[in-house]
Amino acid sequence: SQQGEEDPQALSIQEGENATMNCSYKTSINNLQWYRQNSGRGLVHLILIRSNEREKHSGRLRVTLDTSKKSSSLLITASRAADTASYFCATDRGAGSYQLTFGKGTKLSVIP
Amino acid sequence: DGGITQSPKYLFRKEGQNVTLSCEQNLNHDAMYWYRQDPGQGLRLIYYSQIVNDFQKGDIAEGYSVSREKKESFPLTVTSAQKNPTAFYLCASWEGAGELFFGEGSRLTVL
Repeated sequence: SQQGEEDPQALSIQEGENATMNCSYKTSINNLQWYRQNSGRGLVHLILIRSNEREKHSGRLRVTLDTSKKSSSLLITASRAADTASYFCATDRGAGSYQLTFGKGTKLSVIP
Repeated sequence: DGGITQSPKYLFRKEGQNVTLSCEQNLNHDAMYWYRQDPGQGLRLIYYSQIVNDFQKGDIAEGYSVSREKKESFPLTVTSAQKNPTAFYLCASWEGAGELFFGEGSRLTVL
């Protein structure tokens, strides 16, 4: 079963624009993570936000978490062609859980 | 370098054959995972293991089997009982907090 669901499914923007992706989930979480996947490759971790945090930054990435709405957003500022990839959110199944559940991802295309 | 190694990168199987995908990690992580990825479906959990000699079914375990005889290794066997095995398979490890570390994946195609 899918815990996190990203939207939009696909996003196409011009280089230099900002890209925003959203993730919704269903049950209580301990933390939420965002990953990136280049075509045909493994996933790479981008950022983790804990359930008691509301916002986190890492370079050009900004992640927000609203536990009351069970949603998160990933903002990539000043996008580059190299940001073209699929982006996934992942949630655990509560404290002590060893399982992470991934959404279907948002496919981002940044046009030079 | 520390990381996860999956092999082979590409694998072709005839119908009715079992195949085994290899996953090795040198990160000293206790937990290891196998995910299946289909286009538009995201990642779905097949099996996971928290410690050596123990593993648990994920959401789509039917037609798959695993073993965890060593901390470093978590091979996945795709059996003939798996009716639609063509997919991209990803192995990952986790120290129990923080991020998952992924291998580069194995693409299995049934001929």
